[in-house]
Amino acid sequence: AQTVTQSQPEMSVQEAETVTLSCTYDTSESNYYLFWYKQPPSRQMILVIRQEAYKQQNATENRFSVNFQKAAKSFSLKISDSQLGDTAMYFCAFMKPNSGTYKYIFGTGTRLKVLA
Amino acid sequence: GAGVSQTPSNKVTEKGKYVELRCDPISGHTALYWYRQSLGQGPEFLIYFQGTGAADDSGLPNDRFFAVRPEGSVSTLKIQRTERGDSAVYLCASSLIRLAGVTGELFFGEGSRLTVL
Repeated sequence: AQTVTQSQPEMSVQEAETVTLSCTYDTSESNYYLFWYKQPPSRQMILVIRQEAYKQQNATENRFSVNFQKAAKSFSLKISDSQLGDTAMYFCAFMKPNSGTYKYIFGTGTRLKVLA
Repeated sequence: GAGVSQTPSNKVTEKGKYVELRCDPISGHTALYWYRQSLGQGPEFLIYFQGTGAADDSGLPNDRFFAVRPEGSVSTLKIQRTERGDSAVYLCASSLIRLAGVTGELFFGEGSRLTVL
């Protein structure tokens, strides 16, 4: 079974600085998808960024980028120029399409606090 | 609707009672998911619907939990004989699964916070 591990329960960063959140996963599959989701204190989760495993190029979305290391099964999220609005729980997620099912497995999350 | 809607937003019940939680997904989204999130934890998969059928219910913890999606849109998660350990936020998400591939984005509701006294 696939597992997703986020080893940093809490992190903090100064406003305008850069922070990296770690995620590792375990799978024997070669084709899958990885995601970072953000859950602000209001509770509703939103997608931050996603990566298809077959793509070697790291995904980037404005201030958010990933470092995808397939062989190491690592998928870290880098937030540049951190803003107060980035304060939230961040969840790493794995999805492997399998026989018509699309089950997403989430990590335990990293609580990020951006300090003014 | 514009987003995924979940009702009630909060539910307090007594141990042993029956509870229903409702999810109204984004119109046209064929995939619907239920997750359970305990305090300080990540979402735990419960069940996934593709259309009207449960494509994967491997996350349902026991037979007290059941979910339906009779017309392929609204879904109801049903919990019988609630226990204190069922207290959590129940999240619903929907997604558009295209035949040619997967868009990947799950759209979440704000969740239903269940408290079992």
